[in-house]
Amino acid sequence: GDSVTQMEGPVTLSEEAFLTINCTYTATGYPSLFWYVQYPGEGLQLLLKATKADDKGSNKGFEATYRKETTSFHLEKGSVQVSDSAVYFCALSGGKLIFGQGTELSVKP
Amino acid sequence: DTGVSQDPRHKITKRGQNVTFRCDPISEHNRLYWYRQTLGQGPEFLTYFQNEAQLEKSRLLSDRFSAERPKGSFSTLEIQRTEQGDSAMYLCASSLDQKEYGYTFGSGTRLTVV
Repeated sequence: GDSVTQMEGPVTLSEEAFLTINCTYTATGYPSLFWYVQYPGEGLQLLLKATKADDKGSNKGFEATYRKETTSFHLEKGSVQVSDSAVYFCALSGGKLIFGQGTELSVKP
Repeated sequence: DTGVSQDPRHKITKRGQNVTFRCDPISEHNRLYWYRQTLGQGPEFLTYFQNEAQLEKSRLLSDRFSAERPKGSFSTLEIQRTEQGDSAMYLCASSLDQKEYGYTFGSGTRLTVV
């Protein structure tokens, strides 16, 4: 069945560092891909999405490109802030959302 | 529209009791989903509705769990004879048919079975 695999956390970075969180997927058909973020004590929020191969989703300085050839959707940000500390979930949709296990990001000042 | 609403926010119940949660989706969304999330894990799919029809149920959804969406608007998730392993955050989400719009999640109902 369809599945999503994320790099394990926690990831600890200093403020202004470059961020990459790896995400790969297995799916039949052509799913849409998403990144969701969960801040401490809050619900899941959609961060960005891409609906077809080579699409780039972007929001709040975060980017991810739908790579069909490598079945990947890695999340990147050029300069992280303390306020980016959260758990990040990669997900795919082929009718319902299937999530990865989440990657906790901690950004230190 | 204020988004997806879930009620209650927190529920503590004794083992063996029945509990019911409610989800009110975004009004124009025709799809409604239930997920369960435990600490340190990603949300796990339980079931989803398109309008009032329940289209898919996960193998995780034992016969103690039942979900309804009687008029294609709000939904309820009932857990009968709760067990300690049912303790989790229960999340509801809604979407339009078109997958590119994404899914909007509620804040969840945290269930603790003691």
